[in-house]
Amino acid sequence: AQSVTQLGSHVSVSEGALVLLRCNYSSSVPPYLFWYVQYPNQGLQLLLKYTSAATLVKGINGFEAEFKKSETSFHLTKPSAHMRDAAEYFCAVAGRRALTFGSGTRLQVQP
Amino acid sequence: DAMVIQNPRYQVTQFGKPVTLSCSQTLNHNVMYWYQQKSSQAPKLLFHYYDKDFNNEADTPDNFQSRRPNTSFCFLDIRSPGLGDAAMYLCATSRDGLDQAEQFFGPGTRLTVL
Repeated sequence: AQSVTQLGSHVSVSEGALVLLRCNYSSSVPPYLFWYVQYPNQGLQLLLKYTSAATLVKGINGFEAEFKKSETSFHLTKPSAHMRDAAEYFCAVAGRRALTFGSGTRLQVQP
Repeated sequence: DAMVIQNPRYQVTQFGKPVTLSCSQTLNHNVMYWYQQKSSQAPKLLFHYYDKDFNNEADTPDNFQSRRPNTSFCFLDIRSPGLGDAAMYLCATSRDGLDQAEQFFGPGTRLTVL
């Protein structure tokens, strides 16, 4: 079965600092991986997805993620955090017709 | 704009009183999903429809049922809500059931059980 693990349930950064949210996957086949963002009392919005076309994936709002097979990782980064980035971030792996989500990482951005 | 709509956004019900949550989509997607998300947890898939084909997750309680009368609408029925069913319920759609298909989420319905 495919799964993802997000390291760190809470991450706090200063405005303007680098954002790094970690995700490791477990899959017996080449995975399709996603990052979603959830703002309070909202649904999930897709940030980016990896579908094996390119290992470095650029998404919305300045986020990107790099697929590293050797490390079974798909970490999410943003060079400079903004206050509006404060939210919950979920990594997910596609299974048979459904997504399996990680436990989420809450990002706090300090002024 | 094409979108996924959930009504109501907030629902309060009493212990044991049946409740129905609604989801509609203007994307004309084949697949519709219902997820349960408890506080500070990841969304958990309850079931999904591929067209009219219903797929229940093995650990979804019998208390939860779903209906999809047409492509645009899907309903989540909770027959006898318990306190443990208080959660955010998320509806999502995807164009097809392929692994790489993006899922589009509605804003969710937050269910409170008194």
